[in-house]
Amino acid sequence: GAVVSQHPSWVICKSGTSVKIECRSLDFQATTMFWYRQFPKQSLMLMATSNEGSKATYEQGVEKDKFLINHASLTLSTLTVTSAHPEDSSFYICSARELKGRVEFFGPGTRLTVL
Amino acid sequence: GQNIDQPTEMTATEGAIVQINCTYQTSGFNGLFWYQQHAGEAPTFLSYNVLDGLEEKGRFSSFLSRSKGYSYLLLKELQMKDSASYLCAVLDSNYQLIWGAGTKLIIKP
Repeated sequence: GAVVSQHPSWVICKSGTSVKIECRSLDFQATTMFWYRQFPKQSLMLMATSNEGSKATYEQGVEKDKFLINHASLTLSTLTVTSAHPEDSSFYICSARELKGRVEFFGPGTRLTVL
Repeated sequence: GQNIDQPTEMTATEGAIVQINCTYQTSGFNGLFWYQQHAGEAPTFLSYNVLDGLEEKGRFSSFLSRSKGYSYLLLKELQMKDSASYLCAVLDSNYQLIWGAGTKLIIKP
């Protein structure tokens, strides 16, 4: 199957700082990328959908000014958590889908801890 | 509204067979997916069904009946490493993936 990477795998930061997470499709062109968040023992929660070259579409309740998404190329999307707070601590997972593809392939996830 | 139902938790014995059911009601249908998610890890793709019938892939098989809005994932010759959550998801008419809450499968020796 297709490979999606995420960097970093885990990050610890101080409250008030910003954190950038990268998601890359390694062997295919991802016209659509998705960002999810998952709290312990809870379901995946879709945060936003991004299409290459256009603005991301955010799910209800997700602050677009806090979670900045950039999908500048067909192989890279970034999620920046701005002014992170302890309640933003979570497991952030990206997924990617190629043009005309239907399967979402997931990155390994990034565990964010905000102190 | 859109809805996907699957059992919260199931327990099975190593070496046995287990069937995890999923029923769905969505606005449109462009396929049904099963993903496996081990604790603390991201989901991994298992199967995709868009036509009725059974798709077999090694120890795992997935079945779909579109008229009944029903699918199941069948796991044979269970191994301890199969202990994980199994997520059912449907691609709706907007090509958005609608997720079930997942079934936690516990394998006992």
